[in-house]
This record gives sequence, C-alpha cells and structure tokens, in this order.
Amino acid sequence: QIQLVQSGPELKKPGETVKISCKASGYTFTDYSMHWVKQAPGKGLKWMGWINTETGEPTYADDFKGRFAFSLETSASTAYLQINNLKNEDTATYFCARNYGNFPCYWGQGTLVTVSA
Amino acid sequence: DILMTQSPSSLTVSAGEKVTMSCKSSQSLLASGNQNNYLAWHQQKPGRSPKMLIIWASTRVSGVPDRFIGSGSGTDFTLTINSVQAEDLAVYYCQQSYSAPFTFGSGTKLEIK
Repeated sequence: QIQLVQSGPELKKPGETVKISCKASGYTFTDYSMHWVKQAPGKGLKWMGWINTETGEPTYADDFKGRFAFSLETSASTAYLQINNLKNEDTATYFCARNYGNFPCYWGQGTLVTVSA
Repeated sequence: DILMTQSPSSLTVSAGEKVTMSCKSSQSLLASGNQNNYLAWHQQKPGRSPKMLIIWASTRVSGVPDRFIGSGSGTDFTLTINSVQAEDLAVYYCQQSYSAPFTFGSGTKLEIK
C-alpha cells in the first residue's frame, strides 16, 4: 500500500536550518510529484509548492520562495524539505503528500517543527 | 491567486442528521479541455493528517463511505454528509488545483452533539 513516512519532530533556534524527510513506498516514486503543505498551530492548510520527482524541478508558492527548498533522493524514494534561517513563524507541522490529478492525495503523518530561542 | 471561501466556519449537528457545507472559488475551476472541476475535499480529524475524500468535485476516493457527496461546478461547490456519524468529527477543507498556487479554503469544523 502507498505510504509516506516523515521524519520526527524538530526543535530549532531562530536562524538555524532544518531538513525534513518524506520516504515513499508502495509505488514508483518518480511517477508522481510530491506536494508540501504547512499547517501552523491551530490554523488551516497552506500549500507550499511541489516538486516533479521525475525531473527534480520544484515549484514554490510565493510565500515560500527564498528560504525553502525541495529536493529529492530518488534512489531512496525520499523527498526533502529544507528551511533555512528559521523564524518563529515557521513553527508548524509540515506535510508531504503524493500527487494525483494535481491534488495532494496520499498524505504523510506530518513533521512538527518548533522554532524557539 | 484563486481565493477559496468556505462556509460556515463551524457547525454542530446530531448523529444521523444531514450536513451541507459550501466552498466558493474566486474564479471558475472548470477546465474546458476535459470538463473536470479541479476541486477536492479533504477531511482532517483531530491530531491526524488530512485525508482526501472527493476529487474532481464529485468523485469519491476509493474507500470513502457513500454518505459523503460532492457536488457543484464552476465556482460553487458543496460537500454533503448524509446521516452524520460520530467519527465524522473533523475539519473539512476544499482545495483547488486549477492553477498554482493550489489554494485551500479556511475549513469548516464539524462538531457532533
């Protein structure tokens, strides 16, 4: 069955860097793009962008251009989200989700990133 | 960016009742080429990751109970839950994938009396 397993919670200080992983199984990794979605505590879902797992080309929503980077390790069927120069407002749960029809269809369990001095 | 507006923001019903929630988009989500509406509904239960329920505005994802019904076209969409169950306690989000960024609505929180 299709599974997306994300890395565990992170506690970081402002200005630091975090890299979250999302390991896929149950399908051919390069056949489907991967979405990333942010959910701040008690808030709704915000689409961050997606990465074409065949070409490695990322697309970022405007609010996530600059400090955010999507990447792949295709041999390990793993997608990554890196956030540089962390800010307090980056505190959130981040979800990866496999694409279907341009929609995030199969979701990971989420990774909580807490940014606090 | 396409703005997705959901209403109501919350509702409380008794088990067995019928629920209807709305999602409106700031521009049409109907693709002229394939006649698909690029609108999905996701369910997020407390403490859980979201789960897609409906794709293309009205197609249930495999395994989703048939009490969940998506309808609408263009800019106006509805999610109906017939005979709500206690397990349906969740926040329901609509999302468009007609054009990037693929925006979500702010959600409708369903509570059960």
